[in-house]
Amino acid sequence: DAGVIQSPRHEVTEMGQEVTLRCKPISGHNSLFWYRQTMMRGLELLIYFNNNVPIDDSGMPEDRFSAKMPNASFSTLKIQPSEPRDSAVYFCASSPDSYNEQFFGPGTRLTVL
Amino acid sequence: AQSVSQHNHHVILSEAASLELGCNYSYGGTVNLFWYVQYPGQHLQLLLKYFSGDPLVKGIKGFEAEFIKSKFSFNLRKPSVQWSDTAEYFCAVNAGNYQLIWGAGTKLIIKP
Repeated sequence: DAGVIQSPRHEVTEMGQEVTLRCKPISGHNSLFWYRQTMMRGLELLIYFNNNVPIDDSGMPEDRFSAKMPNASFSTLKIQPSEPRDSAVYFCASSPDSYNEQFFGPGTRLTVL
Repeated sequence: AQSVSQHNHHVILSEAASLELGCNYSYGGTVNLFWYVQYPGQHLQLLLKYFSGDPLVKGIKGFEAEFIKSKFSFNLRKPSVQWSDTAEYFCAVNAGNYQLIWGAGTKLIIKP
C-alpha cells in the first residue's frame, strides 16, 4: 500500500488566495483526520470524518476553513481566503477504525505571504 | 478534561546513552496508548502501541514502553541511542472515542 497520499507537498501563496489541500487515505480505512502542526500550538486536530461523514469539526479555526470528503478515497481541506497565520504543516491521517493507530501522510507545508 | 503530559520538552544525549521519555495521562478508564516519532522534516510514524495484555511493549528500532496503570504512565525507553534517533517524540492516548489526545512532544538530540 502506498500509504496516505497528500498533495501538494509544498504550497506558497499570497494572502487572500484560495488554497486547497488534498488527501487520499489508505484503502479500507474508515476514519480520516486533518491536523495542523505549528511550532507555537503543536499538533491540532481540525476535523474528523467517519465513513465520509464529518463527525467533529470543532477544531476548524474559523469559517475560512472548510473540508469535504466526497468519497472514501478523497478528501480536501480548503482555506479561503488564506492569511499569513495559516502558515503551518497540514497533515492528513487515516485509521482502520476510530480507536486504532492513525497513519499519517507526508504533510503539506503551507506558506502564506 | 483529558490530557497528556510529556515531562521534558528537550533532551540531549550522547550516542550509546540510555533513554527514557516520560508520558503521563489523566483518564481513569480504559485507554489505548501510542508513541509516535517525527524525524526532521517528516511525518509522524508509529513507534509502538499498547491496547491490552503485557504492559511492556516492544516497538520498532529497539524502542520499548511500559504501561503502569497505577501511575497513569507510559514511558518510552531505549537502552542505547544512536545519532539517527534524533527526532521529536509524541505520546498519544485514545480514551475510547475517535480522538487522540497528544502530548506536546519531546525533542531528542543525540550528539555523535
